[in-house]
Amino acid sequence: DQQVKQNSPSLSVQEGRISILNCDYTNSMFDYFLWYKKYPAEGPTFLISISSIKDKNEDGRFTVFLNKSAKHLSLHIVPSQPGDSAVYFCAAHGGTGTASKLTFGTGTRLQVTL
Amino acid sequence: ETGVTQTPRHLVMGMTNKKSLKCEQHLGHNAMYWYKQSAKKPLELMFVYNFKEQTENNSVPSRFSPECPNSSHLFLHLHTLQPEDSALYLCASSRVHGTGSVEEKLFFGSGTQLSVL
Repeated sequence: DQQVKQNSPSLSVQEGRISILNCDYTNSMFDYFLWYKKYPAEGPTFLISISSIKDKNEDGRFTVFLNKSAKHLSLHIVPSQPGDSAVYFCAAHGGTGTASKLTFGTGTRLQVTL
Repeated sequence: ETGVTQTPRHLVMGMTNKKSLKCEQHLGHNAMYWYKQSAKKPLELMFVYNFKEQTENNSVPSRFSPECPNSSHLFLHLHTLQPEDSALYLCASSRVHGTGSVEEKLFFGSGTQLSVL
């Protein structure tokens, strides 16, 4: 059973507009959430993260929102740029000690059009 | 060279072949990981090594055999694979907290695109 879900496999947004990528999770014990960005033929790279004790984290054009009661987080990119076109993975951290690990979603492919 | 380096970038092998994937990290991390990425599926964690000790084997078939000789190098030995094992195999590394838990932020290599014929 998938504990981290990204229900939109793809999203197309015009340059300059806002991109909103969504992620839902089922495990209330997750304590940290991350977004990774992946270009073709490259590995995922860390983009932004948020601790479960916060509800918002902002870094330049990227903002992550966390709604713990709904077990939902979202990534906002504004304004969207063509270079933002990539696959975005949501990930959740859980567990303690040597059992700690990340659980990933299936990814959302973002296409920013001119 | 910095970061996480994986070789080869592409690999085509028959079901009876034996091959190995290599990963090297230059970040001074003490945890290393193998992930599998298949089309339309989440990144699947395969193995975790924490200070060279395997701490996670996520029910991976024995035809995949990991090896971690030191904190900077990680191998994945492959033999008698099946066509459904074709996927992108990603290596990652991270720091380890004083508590022994791995840091949340992973650094990934570019992956090895594996095709099993």
